[in-house]
Amino acid sequence: DAGVTQSPTHLIKTRGQQVTLRCSPKSGHDTVSWYQQALGQGPQFIFQYYEEEERQRGNFPDRFSGHQFPNYSSELNVNALLLGDSALYLCASSLSGTGKDSGNTIYFGEGSWLTVV
Amino acid sequence: AQSVTQLGSHVSVSEGALVLLRCNYSSSVPPYLFWYVQYPNQGLQLLLKYTSAATLVKGITGFEAEFKKSETSFHLTKPSAHMSDAAEYFCAVSVRGGSYIPTFGRGTSLIVHP
Repeated sequence: DAGVTQSPTHLIKTRGQQVTLRCSPKSGHDTVSWYQQALGQGPQFIFQYYEEEERQRGNFPDRFSGHQFPNYSSELNVNALLLGDSALYLCASSLSGTGKDSGNTIYFGEGSWLTVV
Repeated sequence: AQSVTQLGSHVSVSEGALVLLRCNYSSSVPPYLFWYVQYPNQGLQLLLKYTSAATLVKGITGFEAEFKKSETSFHLTKPSAHMSDAAEYFCAVSVRGGSYIPTFGRGTSLIVHP
């Protein structure tokens, strides 16, 4: 049973560039959330996707956008990169609805380390 | 809105000693509470969760946490620390309904001395 997988694992971008990060959810999960974790901080919620739509969004600017595909995988796009966007970006998946493994538990991937120079 | 406060950014213990990592939450409705562990250069792994069943929750690798509503706390404990327990620990809270978006604390770094 594959867990949450993310790619790439590491990348370096220049200020002003754009980046796309990818995520495949845990098998059977239909909801994907993205988090930003700056060095020494806890994860900060960016947004959540369900049924290919953004269901909820955290306090992040419009430069951060996403997409969910019919197979539930997801992308995070960040435009006009700033030095402050350097962080570990975590994807998490969950299952909507009720049940033992339902939405009250999210499972994280290993993350994508983004460095902006 | 819900929130968590983790007391102490760093906790240092000797191998074999008791581990106590503190977490206090704030929520206007009954919460779900979680502890996650993050080893260096890795993602977050779920240690244990409270979902309104038993107030004492046992997790992986010998950790447990007790939900105390009167104290709004969910402290993480382990009777005997092992070197392999050295990691960053995050407490998180979410609430019923909606999309269960958890809010994380700032984390506590557990240091284990030989």
